[in-house]
Amino acid sequence: GQNIDQPTEMTATEGAIVQINCTYQTSGFNGLFWYQQHAGEAPTFLSYNVLDGLEEKGRFSSFLSRSKGYSYLLLKELQMKDSASYLCAVNRDDKIIFGKGTRLHILP
Amino acid sequence: EPEVTQTPSHQVTQMGQEVILRCVPISNHLYFYWYRQILGQKVEFLVSFYNNEISEKSEIFDDQFSVERPDGSNFTLKIRSTKLEDSAMYFCASSDGNEQFFGPGTRLTVL
Repeated sequence: GQNIDQPTEMTATEGAIVQINCTYQTSGFNGLFWYQQHAGEAPTFLSYNVLDGLEEKGRFSSFLSRSKGYSYLLLKELQMKDSASYLCAVNRDDKIIFGKGTRLHILP
Repeated sequence: EPEVTQTPSHQVTQMGQEVILRCVPISNHLYFYWYRQILGQKVEFLVSFYNNEISEKSEIFDDQFSVERPDGSNFTLKIRSTKLEDSAMYFCASSDGNEQFFGPGTRLTVL
């Protein structure tokens, strides 16, 4: 089967750093996506990790450890506009399974 | 910047009616997807499509659902006989094999 776990909600302060974790259990793993979704909008692609390690893209970085079934999304220099849900999704043989998302609240 | 487009943005239909949701993927992408998101819930995978055929589908994607790529640009999702529980946002996405981009979605309301 497949199971994807991420915290339901997190709160952080503007200008700070936050790490959103995602753990998964699945067979046939091909890669892991992170998306940002603002309320009422479509998910926006942030990253796709296939191999172990850290990938950095501006203020956002994503890490993957396939042996541990673990990923995190790191957001630096938080801005108010980063208030959104962050979705972890696993690519399992071209079937994309989403977690329930982490709602991130940014405080001024 | 290229983007995925979807029409219509909103669709209201009566239970039992057929609906067709349309998508225009990014032109050089080869992988296409349909997802749905019921209000307040997580994004759910419906189907993936590659090389003019379905590559994977979920348990949700039963005989009432079908997908088609009728020409070189459009990618459609048909629901033959809608049910109340089909009310959701339906997202199309396309991918080059790595990055996967979502369209803005079609909000389907079944009455």
